[in-house]
Amino acid sequence: DQQVKQNSPSLSVQEGRISILNCDYTNSMFDYFLWYKKYPAEGPTFLISISSIKDKNEDGRFTVFLNKSAKHLSLHIVPSQPGDSAVYFCAAIRRGGSEKLVFGKGTKLTVNP
Amino acid sequence: EPEVTQTPSHQVTQMGQEVILRCVPISNHLYFYWYRQILGQKVEFLVSFYNNEISEKSEIFDDQFSVERPDGSNFTLKIRSTKLEDSAMYFCARGQAWETQYFGPGTRLLVL
Repeated sequence: DQQVKQNSPSLSVQEGRISILNCDYTNSMFDYFLWYKKYPAEGPTFLISISSIKDKNEDGRFTVFLNKSAKHLSLHIVPSQPGDSAVYFCAAIRRGGSEKLVFGKGTKLTVNP
Repeated sequence: EPEVTQTPSHQVTQMGQEVILRCVPISNHLYFYWYRQILGQKVEFLVSFYNNEISEKSEIFDDQFSVERPDGSNFTLKIRSTKLEDSAMYFCARGQAWETQYFGPGTRLLVL
């Protein structure tokens, strides 16, 4: 039951360029979305979130865009840095419903110097 | 945002043995969650715990699993009789209901 999908298992970009990570969801009841970054042998680290009442949220180099009609969100990292190399997880939750975060499978981002 | 700490960082056990994984809050949080990630798979929800009671659990969280907050501080996940397929990273998280959840560093459990 893949309610949250990250179809690209990996992405490689050059330092200084933009990284775009994509996420699709199937459950239209989801109304809060989050991006986490994970290094090997560590826990997921919260990056940025967006509520379904918005279509964009920005925090420094990170911007998340939400397209509700397409059930699609994306994370933009500009400019990309080698330290951004990690696995990025998209997660979703339905506020007022289940408390669980539903995760995608993750996208491994490699930023080359 | 302070997260939570988890102990042990690694645990190796024999199949059929009981394990207890611990989550130590930095401050006095009310909402806790356990998730796991089997190697190469998604992070999966196990259980949520609010005000010393289970508030939601997944189908994975069967009778072999239990959670408690025995001393009002540490939050534990117990697996009574481990199976090979319980080998995974187990993450504790804290948060508020339907808000951002902040994860600990995880415990790597290996069942032999």
